[in-house]
Amino acid sequence: GEDVEQSLFLSVREGDSSVINCTYTDSSSTYLYWYKQEPGAGLQLLTYIFSNMDMKQDQRLTVLLNKKDKHLSLRIADTQTGDSAIYFCAEPAIINTGTASKLTFGTGTRLQVTL
Amino acid sequence: DTEVTQTPKHLVMGMTNKKSLKCEQHMGHRAMYWYKQKAKKPPELMFVYSYEKLSINESVPSRFSPECPNSSLLNLHLHALQPEDSALYLCASSQRLRDRDTGELFFGEGSRLTVL
Repeated sequence: GEDVEQSLFLSVREGDSSVINCTYTDSSSTYLYWYKQEPGAGLQLLTYIFSNMDMKQDQRLTVLLNKKDKHLSLRIADTQTGDSAIYFCAEPAIINTGTASKLTFGTGTRLQVTL
Repeated sequence: DTEVTQTPKHLVMGMTNKKSLKCEQHMGHRAMYWYKQKAKKPPELMFVYSYEKLSINESVPSRFSPECPNSSLLNLHLHALQPEDSALYLCASSQRLRDRDTGELFFGEGSRLTVL
């Protein structure tokens, strides 16, 4: 199947904005997610966007969705060193039981924040 | 309590050993998952349990055997593994009751497995 694509690496200076991009595959996804993974840790849900929205803002995070191009982006304002991590976009497919979701993750973008 | 707890955090085993990974959640979620993550790669789905029944097995080799003893616990039994099975094994849970529920997955910190 097709991969959910992300650029591999992004380096930004502390205080600048970061933009992480994702091209997904399934236009029928109800939600799209952004997960953060710090070194040696599990995945933490950062934010999500409902598929009928174009934009969602959540404090320093802004998610933009372009359904026509199947393009999702995550903007982090005022990036801090604590934001250094791998960021995965993810699209769900609802499993036929209705209660579970099969998540397909993007390839992941490693964000490095420099002083 | 929004935690998914995995034990052990680290496990080293030989190819002839039998070991188990354990996962526990107390959020009342009825879907639980095992994912495998190799270094610098995204997590890959292995198994999905829904209401304690196996819903999805993503063609995982039989040397990995999942078990869901009750709605809070999920185990992954390991036997005769290969060095290439060394990875971070992530457990997750979710609950989706209505169509508009986000049903996001809550992940544990993972069990890092090394097979010698």
